[in-house]
Parts: sequence; structure tokens; C-alpha cells
Amino acid sequence: KAGVTQTPRYLIKTRGQQVTLSCSPISGHRSVSWYQQTPGQGLQFLFEYFSETQRNKGNFPGRFSGRQFSNSRSEMNVSTLELGDSALYLCASSFNRGENSPLHFGNGTRLTVT
Amino acid sequence: AQSVSQHNHHVILSEAASLELGCNYSYGGTVNLFWYVQYPGQHLQLLLKYFSGDPLVKGIKGFEAEFIKSKFSFNLRKPSVQWSDTAEYFCAVNANQAGTALIFGKGTTLSVSS
Repeated sequence: KAGVTQTPRYLIKTRGQQVTLSCSPISGHRSVSWYQQTPGQGLQFLFEYFSETQRNKGNFPGRFSGRQFSNSRSEMNVSTLELGDSALYLCASSFNRGENSPLHFGNGTRLTVT
Repeated sequence: AQSVSQHNHHVILSEAASLELGCNYSYGGTVNLFWYVQYPGQHLQLLLKYFSGDPLVKGIKGFEAEFIKSKFSFNLRKPSVQWSDTAEYFCAVNANQAGTALIFGKGTTLSVSS
């Protein structure tokens, strides 16, 4: 079974630009969550999607947005990039939202903002 | 707000030594607790989880963790570490009914020398 696939693996953008990251969950998984990982703040929850609806959102500005498609694939978008957005963005999928559905993480997309 | 504290940033052990990594969380309600591990060059993987029942939970590769509700703690233990346990370990908490939103600790890097 293929794992969670994130594309691209690496991105370099300049301040003010926008970026879109993609995540393909494990086949059959319907929940997709996004996390930001930085050396200073660690892993922080961005948002969760289930059945194409955002179910939960972390404490991030509105420049961070996402969506989920009918095939459960998800994208996240960051607009008006700032230097502080440089991070590893991790996607995780789970079969559903219940406690017996552990998260499976992808390898992440490394975003560098210059 | 919920938070998770991991007491040790970097732990260095010799093979066969015993391991205990501390984790404390702040949340007064029902929680689900997790330990994730990230081996060098790999994605985050679930090590073990606690939802309810026996507060001593066993995970993969000989790891176990004990939930002590009165101390808001969920410490990770292994009686005898191996070189292959070298990795970064993350404690995480999920408040009841918060879907897949996890609050992570900052992580502990474990280095095991052979």
C-alpha cells in the first residue's frame, strides 16, 4: 500500500508570492491533516479536512488555506509568503476522524522563502 | 490552551542502557496520548497510543508508555535501547473530540552509541 505522498518535496519562493502544496492520502483514507514544522515552534496543527469539509483549524492566519477533493486528495495554499513561512509542511492521513484511526504522515514539503 | 512539554531536548545513551523520556501535557479534560518517532530520513511514525483502559501501553519495537492522570504525564520507556533507536521522539495529545488535531511537544533527539 502506498503511503502518503506529498509534492513537491522542495520549494523555493520569494516573499509576497503564493504557493500550493499537494497531498495524496493513503488509498481509502478520508481525513487529511496538515502540520507545519519549524525548529523554533516544532510541529503545529494547521487544519484538517474530512469529506471535503474543513473540520478543524489551528491558530494560523488566513493566508493559510486548504481544500480537499472528492478523491480525498488535499492541497494547501499559502498566499503573500513571509520569511517566517519557511518550514517543513507535513500532511497526514487517517481512515476517519475517530480515535482508532492513527495518523500516517508523509515525508513533507520543504518550503524556503527568500 | 493545551500544551505538551518534553523535558529532554537531547538524550545520549549507550546501547543496552534504559530509556525514559518525559512528557507532560496541560489539559483538564479527556485526552488521547501518542508517541511518534522519526528515524533519520524517514517520516513520522506512530510508536504507541493511549485512549483508555490500562494506563500502561505497549508499542512497537519494545517501547512502552505509562499514563499517569494525576501527574498529567505520559512517559516513554524502553528497558534496553539499541543503536537503531537513534531518532527524534515526539509526544502528542489530542483533546477529546478534536478530530485529528494533535498538539505536539518539541521533540527529544535520542542518540544511541554502539
